[in-house]
Amino acid sequence: EVQLVESGGVVVPPGGSVRLSCAVSGFTFDHYTMHWVRQITGKGLEWVSLVSWDGGSTYYADSVKGRFTVSRDSSKNSLYMEMNSLTSDDSGLYFCAKDGRGFGELSYFDFWGQGALVTVSS
Amino acid sequence: ENVLTQSPGTVSLSPGERATLSCRASRTVSSSSLAWYQQKPGQAPRLLIYGASTRATGIPDRFSGSGSGTDFTLTINGLEPEDFAVYYCQQYSSGPRTFGQGTRVEI
Repeated sequence: EVQLVESGGVVVPPGGSVRLSCAVSGFTFDHYTMHWVRQITGKGLEWVSLVSWDGGSTYYADSVKGRFTVSRDSSKNSLYMEMNSLTSDDSGLYFCAKDGRGFGELSYFDFWGQGALVTVSS
Repeated sequence: ENVLTQSPGTVSLSPGERATLSCRASRTVSSSSLAWYQQKPGQAPRLLIYGASTRATGIPDRFSGSGSGTDFTLTINGLEPEDFAVYYCQQYSSGPRTFGQGTRVEI
């Protein structure tokens, strides 16, 4: 059974930093590009970042470029995202998601975690 | 960035009726690289359709997707009580993966 479990959600003041983690199981982690997608409370979905299956490439939404860093650790079957210089616009539920097709082929997301809530507030 | 616009924003229907949801892209979505997701309150999105028309594993056949180019449709035939939710389209043909703003299907 495929499972993705996020952790690290927290209340943080503006300008602060957060590190989110996503522990995965039930599939060969090294074969799939992984993503972070966020959802502002009561709003829609926004793709945030991806790290390629081999960890060699990362991409970011313009809204977070230069502030967020995505990474992965195959030895721990885990995905991470370091979030810096946070503003209230970054508050929301952060999901990790798995590519449906392996080895970097552009793909939909076939499995999602339940999300980690980040609240930026003083 | 390929902007996806979904319509209507909200549709009110009764169980047993048909729902027709639209997703229009600002640029051609190549290879029909369009997916549909369902999201219920407090839950993660669930993949329904990929490749514009292929149902994901375990998705009932009352859900169907169609379209190509810039215009795509999700149809739900015979709404069941558990189908009342928000539906999002997403393109994965190029650039940043973008989502539509969602259509709420309410009773």
